[in-house]
Amino acid sequence: AQSVTQLDSQVPVFEEAPVELRCNYSSSVSVYLFWYVQYPNQGLQLLLKYLSGSTLVKGINGFEAEFNKSQTSFHLRKPSVHISDTAEYFCAVQMDSSYKLIFGSGTRLLVRP
Amino acid sequence: DAGVTQSPTHLIKTRGQQVTLRCSPKSGHDTVSWYQQALGQGPQFIFQYYEEEERQRGNFPDRFSGHQFPNYSSELNVNALLLGDSALYLCASSLLEPKFYNEQFFGPGTRLTVL
Repeated sequence: AQSVTQLDSQVPVFEEAPVELRCNYSSSVSVYLFWYVQYPNQGLQLLLKYLSGSTLVKGINGFEAEFNKSQTSFHLRKPSVHISDTAEYFCAVQMDSSYKLIFGSGTRLLVRP
Repeated sequence: DAGVTQSPTHLIKTRGQQVTLRCSPKSGHDTVSWYQQALGQGPQFIFQYYEEEERQRGNFPDRFSGHQFPNYSSELNVNALLLGDSALYLCASSLLEPKFYNEQFFGPGTRLTVL
């Protein structure tokens, strides 16, 4: 069965510092990979997605992620964070033959001034 | 262009009751998926509707049922509510074709509290 692991439940970081949010997945079949952000009292917003091709994916708000097939990882990075990036971040996978997204448990990014 | 809308925003029910949640998809979308997000957890897939039929279902009991109307809007019904059903219920809409991975757009959710 497919699963997604986000090892860090919370990541505190100072403003303008770089950040990496980790995501590992397990699947025996090809998957599509996604990162979503959830601000307080809001729904999920897609940050970026990996479908095929280049393993480095750029998304909105200056975020990027790198797909590593051998390590089954899809870590999210940002070179310089802002206070407004404080939110919950979810990694998700979708199998090629399925309609559903499988989410990790989320990582709360807390940006401090 | 209105995004995905859900109603109501909040709902309080007691154990054993039934509840209906509503979702209107983003304009132009024909597919609606429902997710349950318990506190401190990631969303879990309940089911997806397309052409008024359930296309795929997650690991949820039959107490959870749904419906899609000709205008693509959808309802999620939960019978015999349990305390464990307390969660944020998210609706997501997308286009089914041409690929499975068409972006899913999420609504703000309905917060259900079961007492």
